[in-house]
Amino acid sequence: EDQVTQSPEALRLQEGESSSLNCSYTVSGLRGLFWYRQDPGKGPEFLFTLYSAGEEKEKERLKATLTKKESFLHITAPKPEDSATYLCAVQVRTGGFKTIFGAGTRLFVKA
Amino acid sequence: GAGVSQTPSNKVTEKGKYVELRCDPISGHTALYWYRQSLGQGPEFLIYFQGTGAADDSGLPNDRFFAVRPEGSVSTLKIQRTERGDSAVYLCASSQLVPGELFFGEGSRLTVL
Repeated sequence: EDQVTQSPEALRLQEGESSSLNCSYTVSGLRGLFWYRQDPGKGPEFLFTLYSAGEEKEKERLKATLTKKESFLHITAPKPEDSATYLCAVQVRTGGFKTIFGAGTRLFVKA
Repeated sequence: GAGVSQTPSNKVTEKGKYVELRCDPISGHTALYWYRQSLGQGPEFLIYFQGTGAADDSGLPNDRFFAVRPEGSVSTLKIQRTERGDSAVYLCASSQLVPGELFFGEGSRLTVL
């Protein structure tokens, strides 16, 4: 069964304290791995797509990396406005293409 | 419209009632997804449309749930005989590219009393 597991469930950082979020996956027919950000009361907002092991993407203080079994979202010198839930998702080929989400990591950055 | 639009934003109903939730995707997006999200959880896949047809409905929890997309644009998620356990935020997303990133609406919060 296709599965996506994110850790930790919650992460509390001081402003400027860099860290990483983990997403491990067990899927057949991976077509892409995605990271989304979700603010309270909002729908998820797309951040990155990764398609193959070794690929990296960067945007401001965020960098996403991908291996054959997991992905990391590295946050460098976070600010309070980075506080949100970060969701990892994999797109798998079934009859069409299905996107399966992990439970998310809730990030709190304190000033 | 500029983004994915979902209506209603909030729906309170009584156990046993019928509910319809509407999703208007980004113009030109051929793929449309429905998800359900409970508090503290990630979005749970329900159904995915490619055009007018359901490409994958394996996430629909039971036969009380049904979704349509008759003209390949607007979609309606229909829930019959609602139960308290159906309470959640129902998210709709659309995508132009498959595979590709999803663009989400703000969700419809369903509360079943």
